[in-house]
Amino acid sequence: DGGITQSPKYLFRKEGQNVTLSCEQNLNHDAMYWYRQDPGQGLRLIYYSQIVNDFQKGDIAEGYSVSREKKESFPLTVTSAQKNPTAFYLCASSTAGGEYEQYFGPGTRLTVT
Amino acid sequence: SQQGEEDPQALSIQEGENATMNCSYKTSINNLQWYRQNSGRGLVHLILIRSNEREKHSGRLRVTLDTSKKSSSLLITASRAADTASYFCATDAPQTGANNLFFGTGTRLTVIP
Repeated sequence: DGGITQSPKYLFRKEGQNVTLSCEQNLNHDAMYWYRQDPGQGLRLIYYSQIVNDFQKGDIAEGYSVSREKKESFPLTVTSAQKNPTAFYLCASSTAGGEYEQYFGPGTRLTVT
Repeated sequence: SQQGEEDPQALSIQEGENATMNCSYKTSINNLQWYRQNSGRGLVHLILIRSNEREKHSGRLRVTLDTSKKSSSLLITASRAADTASYFCATDAPQTGANNLFFGTGTRLTVIP
């Protein structure tokens, strides 16, 4: 059963703590992406990776970090430096390149208090 | 920013009516995609139209693309309550060299049974 998974679905953290969001795919896709979505808003790109051991900053990378040690996995760490971390985080994957559709995970809703 | 803008921001129609939403973007593209998002869920790819295509159909969906006006429209015919969702357009940006998509702000469609 192919797909892209994110865990957990809901995450609560205290301010000042780092938190890591998981994203795994078994679609054999080279490219993976992290987006942030705020209520009633569109998606903003945080980081993306076109290949293992390589990744690029998106529009809002400040306060976030990623790693891509395996093709299947692209975890996102929300650091204490991110000023407004409460949001809905979406992970996606695709065959590398903007001409291909992206497959999205179910999302993780992060609440920081 | 390449980010597209959908119009209208929100649309409410009766079941059985057609729904039309529009997307405008700023720079040249190779393709434009439409996605659907149910509340609190990940996005699902609906249709991709390439820059050399003017119209494309998929089931009850009809997408048009006018590259001279940098705009696209998504028509959902004979709408159903289950079509209630947010709809996003996304474009690539070949001139930037970036291999990612740029998402619009979305149209929230409500279909009243």
